[in-house]
Amino acid sequence: NAGVTQTPKFRVLKTGQSMTLLCAQDMNHEYMYWYRQDPGMGLRLIHYSVGEGTTAKGEVPDGYNVSRLKKQNFLLGLESAAPSQTSVYFCASSFGQDRGYNEQFFGPGTRLTVL
Amino acid sequence: AQSVAQPEDQVNVAEGNPLTVKCTYSVSGNPYLFWYVQYPNRGLQFLLKYITGDNLVKGSYGFEAEFNKSQTSFHLKKPSALVSDSALYFCAVRDYGGATNKLIFGTGTLLAVQP
Repeated sequence: NAGVTQTPKFRVLKTGQSMTLLCAQDMNHEYMYWYRQDPGMGLRLIHYSVGEGTTAKGEVPDGYNVSRLKKQNFLLGLESAAPSQTSVYFCASSFGQDRGYNEQFFGPGTRLTVL
Repeated sequence: AQSVAQPEDQVNVAEGNPLTVKCTYSVSGNPYLFWYVQYPNRGLQFLLKYITGDNLVKGSYGFEAEFNKSQTSFHLKKPSALVSDSALYFCAVRDYGGATNKLIFGTGTLLAVQP
């Protein structure tokens, strides 16, 4: 099993450009999450999904959109990138609430720089 | 609102000595607590969790954590540190807001083990 994978690993954008980050998991997890990690701030939740076709806002959703058209994939979009979105982005997944209180499994991250 | 605090930005310990990485929490109900480790340029890896039961929880790589309800703490410990334990450690608590399995992370503690 590959676990949680993220594409791309690195990206440099200019202000105003758009891009999509792809997250895929092969563990049949119901829930998926997008975080950003910034120095001294830990991980902050951007958006999450509790099932195929559902999405919800997290702690810092502004400037991002997401889609979960397939259970195994969770896409994070930046429509008009800003320098404040320079960060490392992590995707995570977990079993649903019906399987108990489960840990999240993380991908390797995408390092994004917006110039 | 649920929260976790990691009071130390960095912990330094000599190889072979015991190590402790501190975490305190604030929740409105029963806490569900997690520890993760992040090696350089990698995603987060799950170490251990406390859901209920014994206050001493054993996890991966020889780590354990002690849950103390009266002190609202969940400190990570290891009897004998290795240089390879040097990494960034995150404490997290499950968010009670709905059936989402969301986690709230601390800001992280950098563990440096000197040979």
